[in-house]
Amino acid sequence: GAVVSQHPSWVICKSGTSVKIECRSLDFQATTMFWYRQFPKQSLMLMATSNEGSKATYEQGVEKDKFLINHASLTLSTLTVTSAHPEDSSFYICSARTPHQPQHFGDGTRLSIL
Amino acid sequence: AQTVTQSQPEMSVQEAETVTLSCTYDTSESNYYLFWYKQPPSRQMILVIRQEAYKQQNATENRFSVNFQKAAKSFSLKISDSQLGDTAMYFCAFIPTQGGSEKLVFGKGMKLTVNP
Repeated sequence: GAVVSQHPSWVICKSGTSVKIECRSLDFQATTMFWYRQFPKQSLMLMATSNEGSKATYEQGVEKDKFLINHASLTLSTLTVTSAHPEDSSFYICSARTPHQPQHFGDGTRLSIL
Repeated sequence: AQTVTQSQPEMSVQEAETVTLSCTYDTSESNYYLFWYKQPPSRQMILVIRQEAYKQQNATENRFSVNFQKAAKSFSLKISDSQLGDTAMYFCAFIPTQGGSEKLVFGKGMKLTVNP
């Protein structure tokens, strides 16, 4: 149980394009989803927390207009990297949870901007 | 501020041996959860084990067990009979159960290599 699916697993795109990453909880309803960014050999850095039906709460230093988060249902959250540039290249991971349960993570998305 | 410290950036162990990964944390909360997550080269984040602070009994999951010392704010992970598949980054993490924060606080991670 508690499977989180993240798609795509790897995406390469040109600078200036927008990229959407999906995060789905497959067998549970996630009241809260989280988006992280991870640089090589570093820990996970929380970007934002999203609750179904409300606006995401962004961490300090994360650009809201650059990283658009939508949590339209209890099983789906999306992260859109708008007008992506090479410095946005990174590994992005989502997680999902219900209250009083651990976060369960997706497999991550490797984003490469050329 | 709540912090998690993993002071050993890297360790190696021979297959079948036992290894202990250290983690300390700082919080003023009395109730919280502690976790160990494993991130193999595939980069999936896998929950290894969790401990609830109000439980005195140390959690165990097959070959994985913890030594939870609440007064010392220490939460070490012991891996018995190490296997090649245990090679991964290991992250210690903390979350309070009260106060409304749902954010996991991660340590910097520790790279474990199991050698044949």
